[in-house]
Amino acid sequence: DIQMTQSPSTLSASVGDRVTITCRASQTISNWLAWYQQKPGKAPNLLIYKASTLESGVPSRFSGSGSGTEFTLTISSLQPDDFATYYCQEYNSYSPLTFGGGTKVEIK
Amino acid sequence: EVQLVESGGGLVQPGGSLRVSCEASGFAFSTHWMSWVRQAPGKGLEWVANINQDGSQKYYVDSVKGRFTLSRDNAKNSLYLQMNSLRADDTAVYYCARDGRDAGIYFDSWGQGALVTVSS
Repeated sequence: DIQMTQSPSTLSASVGDRVTITCRASQTISNWLAWYQQKPGKAPNLLIYKASTLESGVPSRFSGSGSGTEFTLTISSLQPDDFATYYCQEYNSYSPLTFGGGTKVEIK
Repeated sequence: EVQLVESGGGLVQPGGSLRVSCEASGFAFSTHWMSWVRQAPGKGLEWVANINQDGSQKYYVDSVKGRFTLSRDNAKNSLYLQMNSLRADDTAVYYCARDGRDAGIYFDSWGQGALVTVSS
């Protein structure tokens, strides 16, 4: 099974900061990677799929890059609404599907 | 508008059974893979199971194989997860999720979740 390792697990940042979250796969997954944002008590929300394709309606300050085993989610200028937990998910096959452990973005 | 509404969560004793349901609306349910993803209290996301459009393919995470059964009724736009032999570590919010329109199984729509608590 593929393991997904996210770093950091917690990140403290200020409004306006550029933020980067990394996700590493234990084996190559091409570009079969999605990113989600989750706020407390709410369901996750899709941000990016196929490593770098922005889901409709997601602000352009979010971007994704990478392929193979190394991926990044970047928020170009952190906004108050962006304080949340972010998860990556690989979908290299139908099963199993694996999420990263999550990165909590906190107010500095 | 795409809507996924879970129901059937609750408190159950260890070893007991429970069925959670997901009613879909606002899209062509029969054309999508569907999945269950769970989240234990204070923990991350864990994929549980998925099913293809006509129900002929089903996959499960190892920890629930032989205990959970996934099914769907396309005539009722509904997805079901029958959970047997429940354990304390099955305690979680169970989300119903729809696969995205692009290739592969990622999740572009989620329900609000159903809380399942396994405790004596």
